[in-house]
Amino acid sequence: QVQLQESGPGLVKPSETLSLTCTVSGASISSYYWSWIRQPPGKGLEWIGYIYYDGSTNYNPSLRSRVTISKDSSKRQVSLKLTSVTAADTAVYYCAREGAEDESGYFDYWGQGSLVTVSS
Amino acid sequence: QSVLTQPPSASGTPGQRVTISCSGSSSNIGTNTVNWYQQLPGTAPKVLIYNNNERPSGVPDRFSGSKSGTSASLAISGLQSEDEADYHCAVWDDSLNGPEFGGGTKLTVL
Repeated sequence: QVQLQESGPGLVKPSETLSLTCTVSGASISSYYWSWIRQPPGKGLEWIGYIYYDGSTNYNPSLRSRVTISKDSSKRQVSLKLTSVTAADTAVYYCAREGAEDESGYFDYWGQGSLVTVSS
Repeated sequence: QSVLTQPPSASGTPGQRVTISCSGSSSNIGTNTVNWYQQLPGTAPKVLIYNNNERPSGVPDRFSGSKSGTSASLAISGLQSEDEADYHCAVWDDSLNGPEFGGGTKLTVL
Protein backbone atom coordinates (compact mmCIF):
# COMPACT_ATOMS: atom_id res chain seq x y z
CA GLN A 1 0.00 0.00 0.00
CA VAL A 2 1.37 3.35 -1.05
CA GLN A 3 1.60 5.94 1.71
CA LEU A 4 2.96 9.49 1.69
CA GLN A 5 3.78 11.39 4.87
CA GLU A 6 4.73 15.07 4.97
CA SER A 7 6.83 16.42 7.82
CA GLY A 8 8.41 19.71 8.77
CA PRO A 9 7.98 22.83 10.91
CA GLY A 10 4.45 24.09 11.32
CA LEU A 11 5.54 27.68 11.88
CA VAL A 12 7.98 29.70 9.75
CA LYS A 13 8.93 33.35 10.18
CA PRO A 14 8.45 35.82 7.33
CA SER A 15 11.44 36.05 4.95
CA GLU A 16 12.74 32.64 6.08
CA THR A 17 12.73 29.33 4.21
CA LEU A 18 9.95 26.76 4.40
CA SER A 19 11.26 23.18 4.29
CA LEU A 20 9.12 20.07 4.07
CA THR A 21 9.87 16.40 3.48
CA CYS A 22 7.59 13.75 2.05
CA THR A 23 8.47 10.18 2.98
CA VAL A 24 7.10 7.54 0.63
CA SER A 25 6.40 3.91 1.48
CA GLY A 26 5.05 1.18 -0.75
CA ALA A 27 6.46 2.63 -3.99
CA SER A 28 9.78 3.47 -5.55
CA ILE A 29 10.18 7.22 -5.94
CA SER A 30 12.40 6.55 -8.96
CA SER A 31 9.47 5.11 -10.92
CA TYR A 32 6.99 7.97 -10.74
CA TYR A 33 6.60 11.72 -10.99
CA TRP A 34 6.00 13.49 -7.67
CA SER A 35 4.41 16.85 -6.99
CA TRP A 36 3.89 19.36 -4.24
CA ILE A 37 0.49 21.05 -4.08
CA ARG A 38 -0.72 23.60 -1.55
CA GLN A 39 -4.06 24.88 -0.29
CA PRO A 40 -4.36 28.18 1.61
CA PRO A 41 -7.00 28.10 4.36
CA GLY A 42 -10.49 28.17 2.85
CA LYS A 43 -9.16 28.35 -0.71
CA GLY A 44 -8.50 26.11 -3.69
CA LEU A 45 -5.54 23.93 -4.62
CA GLU A 46 -2.38 25.31 -6.24
CA TRP A 47 0.24 23.18 -7.99
CA ILE A 48 3.78 24.02 -6.88
CA GLY A 49 5.95 21.75 -8.97
CA TYR A 50 6.97 18.28 -10.24
CA ILE A 51 10.11 16.22 -9.90
CA TYR A 52 10.64 13.58 -12.56
CA TYR A 53 12.39 10.19 -12.81
CA ASP A 54 15.73 11.73 -13.70
CA GLY A 55 15.53 14.38 -10.97
CA SER A 56 14.63 17.18 -13.34
CA THR A 57 11.95 19.58 -12.19
CA ASN A 58 9.08 21.69 -13.46
CA TYR A 59 7.82 24.56 -11.33
CA ASN A 60 4.79 26.81 -11.33
CA PRO A 61 6.02 30.06 -12.92
CA SER A 62 4.45 32.06 -10.09
CA LEU A 63 6.78 30.34 -7.58
CA ARG A 64 9.74 29.36 -9.75
CA SER A 65 12.14 31.95 -8.35
CA ARG A 66 11.62 30.74 -4.78
CA VAL A 67 11.03 26.98 -4.97
CA THR A 68 13.28 23.93 -5.08
CA ILE A 69 12.03 20.32 -5.19
CA SER A 70 14.53 17.50 -4.74
CA LYS A 71 14.53 13.81 -3.96
CA ASP A 72 16.63 11.24 -2.15
CA SER A 73 15.80 7.82 -3.57
CA SER A 74 17.78 5.97 -0.90
CA LYS A 75 15.65 7.56 1.81
CA ARG A 76 12.46 7.46 -0.30
CA GLN A 77 11.99 11.17 0.30
CA VAL A 78 10.87 14.09 -1.80
CA SER A 79 11.63 17.54 -0.39
CA LEU A 80 10.30 21.06 -0.85
CA LYS A 81 12.05 24.32 -0.10
CA LEU A 82 10.35 27.69 -0.50
CA THR A 83 12.42 30.76 0.24
CA SER A 84 11.50 34.29 1.34
CA VAL A 85 8.08 33.27 2.62
CA THR A 86 5.30 35.70 3.45
CA ALA A 87 1.88 35.31 5.03
CA ALA A 88 0.54 34.48 1.57
CA ASP A 89 2.47 31.20 1.75
CA THR A 90 0.44 30.02 4.74
CA ALA A 91 -1.23 26.84 3.55
CA VAL A 92 -1.61 23.11 3.89
CA TYR A 93 1.15 21.57 1.79
CA TYR A 94 0.54 18.19 0.15
CA CYS A 95 2.85 15.84 -1.65
CA ALA A 96 1.21 13.68 -4.30
CA ARG A 97 2.08 11.02 -6.86
CA GLU A 98 1.24 11.47 -10.54
CA GLY A 99 -0.92 8.49 -11.47
CA ALA A 100 -0.50 8.63 -15.24
CA GLU A 101 2.55 7.70 -17.30
CA ASP A 102 2.93 11.36 -18.20
CA GLU A 103 1.96 14.60 -16.49
CA SER A 104 -1.79 14.99 -16.48
CA GLY A 105 -2.97 16.38 -13.14
CA TYR A 106 -4.13 12.89 -12.14
CA PHE A 107 -2.74 12.40 -8.64
CA ASP A 108 -3.56 8.95 -7.34
CA TYR A 109 -1.93 9.13 -3.92
CA TRP A 110 -1.71 12.11 -1.56
CA GLY A 111 -0.13 12.70 1.80
CA GLN A 112 -2.31 13.83 4.67
CA GLY A 113 -1.00 17.38 4.36
CA SER A 114 1.16 19.61 6.53
CA LEU A 115 -0.12 22.98 7.71
CA VAL A 116 2.56 25.65 7.55
CA THR A 117 1.82 29.04 9.07
CA VAL A 118 4.02 32.02 8.23
CA SER A 119 4.06 34.39 11.17
CA SER A 120 6.52 36.20 13.38
CA GLN B 1 -8.42 33.42 -9.69
CA SER B 2 -8.29 30.01 -11.37
CA VAL B 3 -8.44 29.55 -15.14
CA LEU B 4 -10.88 26.69 -14.48
CA THR B 5 -14.27 27.98 -13.35
CA GLN B 6 -16.43 25.98 -10.97
CA PRO B 7 -19.57 27.14 -9.15
CA PRO B 8 -18.63 27.88 -5.53
CA SER B 9 -21.54 25.85 -4.20
CA ALA B 10 -24.07 23.18 -5.11
CA SER B 11 -26.73 21.34 -3.18
CA GLY B 12 -29.18 18.49 -3.39
CA THR B 13 -31.35 16.22 -1.33
CA PRO B 14 -30.63 12.54 -0.62
CA GLY B 15 -31.30 10.37 -3.65
CA GLN B 16 -31.13 13.28 -6.07
CA ARG B 17 -28.72 13.67 -9.00
CA VAL B 18 -26.44 16.69 -8.99
CA THR B 19 -23.89 17.94 -11.48
CA ILE B 20 -20.88 20.17 -10.95
CA SER B 21 -19.40 22.01 -13.91
CA CYS B 22 -15.82 22.98 -14.74
CA SER B 23 -15.29 25.51 -17.51
CA GLY B 24 -11.90 26.06 -19.12
CA SER B 25 -10.30 26.89 -22.45
CA SER B 26 -8.51 25.43 -25.43
CA SER B 27 -5.22 25.30 -23.53
CA ASN B 28 -6.59 23.01 -20.84
CA ILE B 29 -9.94 21.17 -21.07
CA GLY B 30 -10.11 21.63 -24.83
CA THR B 31 -6.88 19.68 -25.28
CA ASN B 32 -6.25 17.54 -22.20
CA THR B 33 -8.03 15.09 -19.94
CA VAL B 34 -10.02 16.12 -16.87
CA ASN B 35 -9.67 14.77 -13.36
CA TRP B 36 -11.99 15.23 -10.39
CA TYR B 37 -11.18 15.13 -6.68
CA GLN B 38 -13.35 14.86 -3.58
CA GLN B 39 -12.10 16.54 -0.43
CA LEU B 40 -13.91 15.68 2.77
CA PRO B 41 -13.59 18.24 5.60
CA GLY B 42 -10.11 18.27 7.09
CA THR B 43 -8.73 15.63 4.75
CA ALA B 44 -6.57 15.43 1.65
CA PRO B 45 -8.16 15.33 -1.80
CA LYS B 46 -9.03 11.89 -3.18
CA VAL B 47 -9.34 11.16 -6.88
CA LEU B 48 -12.86 10.32 -8.04
CA ILE B 49 -12.51 10.54 -11.82
CA TYR B 50 -9.43 10.57 -14.06
CA ASN B 51 -8.97 10.68 -17.82
CA ASN B 52 -12.37 12.43 -18.21
CA ASN B 53 -14.57 9.52 -17.17
CA GLU B 54 -12.59 6.69 -15.57
CA ARG B 55 -13.12 5.69 -11.95
CA PRO B 56 -10.33 4.27 -9.77
CA SER B 57 -11.21 1.00 -8.11
CA GLY B 58 -13.30 1.56 -5.02
CA VAL B 59 -15.08 4.66 -6.32
CA PRO B 60 -18.83 3.99 -6.59
CA ASP B 61 -20.42 4.13 -10.04
CA ARG B 62 -22.71 6.85 -8.68
CA PHE B 63 -19.88 9.18 -9.69
CA SER B 64 -19.36 9.87 -13.38
CA GLY B 65 -17.47 12.39 -15.48
CA SER B 66 -17.96 13.85 -18.93
CA LYS B 67 -16.30 16.41 -21.17
CA SER B 68 -17.46 18.42 -24.14
CA GLY B 69 -15.35 21.05 -25.83
CA THR B 70 -13.85 23.29 -23.16
CA SER B 71 -16.19 22.22 -20.36
CA ALA B 72 -16.48 19.19 -18.13
CA SER B 73 -18.97 17.93 -15.59
CA LEU B 74 -19.03 15.65 -12.58
CA ALA B 75 -22.35 13.94 -11.93
CA ILE B 76 -23.33 12.35 -8.65
CA SER B 77 -26.45 10.20 -8.67
CA GLY B 78 -28.27 8.78 -5.67
CA LEU B 79 -26.86 11.57 -3.51
CA GLN B 80 -25.89 10.50 0.01
CA SER B 81 -25.08 12.50 3.13
CA GLU B 82 -21.47 11.31 3.01
CA ASP B 83 -21.07 13.00 -0.39
CA GLU B 84 -21.04 16.37 1.38
CA ALA B 85 -17.56 17.65 0.53
CA ASP B 86 -15.56 19.99 -1.69
CA TYR B 87 -15.07 18.89 -5.30
CA HIS B 88 -12.16 20.07 -7.46
CA CYS B 89 -11.51 19.65 -11.16
CA ALA B 90 -7.90 19.46 -12.38
CA VAL B 91 -6.51 19.59 -15.91
CA TRP B 92 -3.08 19.92 -17.47
CA ASP B 93 -2.74 23.43 -18.90
CA ASP B 94 -0.44 23.84 -21.89
CA SER B 95 0.07 27.56 -21.18
CA LEU B 96 1.09 26.95 -17.58
CA ASN B 97 2.96 23.75 -18.49
CA GLY B 98 1.48 22.31 -15.33
CA PRO B 99 -1.84 21.22 -13.84
CA GLU B 100 -4.50 23.80 -13.07
CA PHE B 101 -7.13 23.27 -10.41
CA GLY B 102 -10.62 24.73 -10.35
CA GLY B 103 -11.58 26.88 -7.38
CA GLY B 104 -13.60 24.04 -5.89
CA THR B 105 -17.33 23.48 -5.36
CA LYS B 106 -18.78 22.94 -1.90
CA LEU B 107 -21.56 20.35 -2.12
CA THR B 108 -24.21 20.44 0.58
CA VAL B 109 -26.63 17.56 1.09
CA LEU B 110 -29.83 19.08 2.43
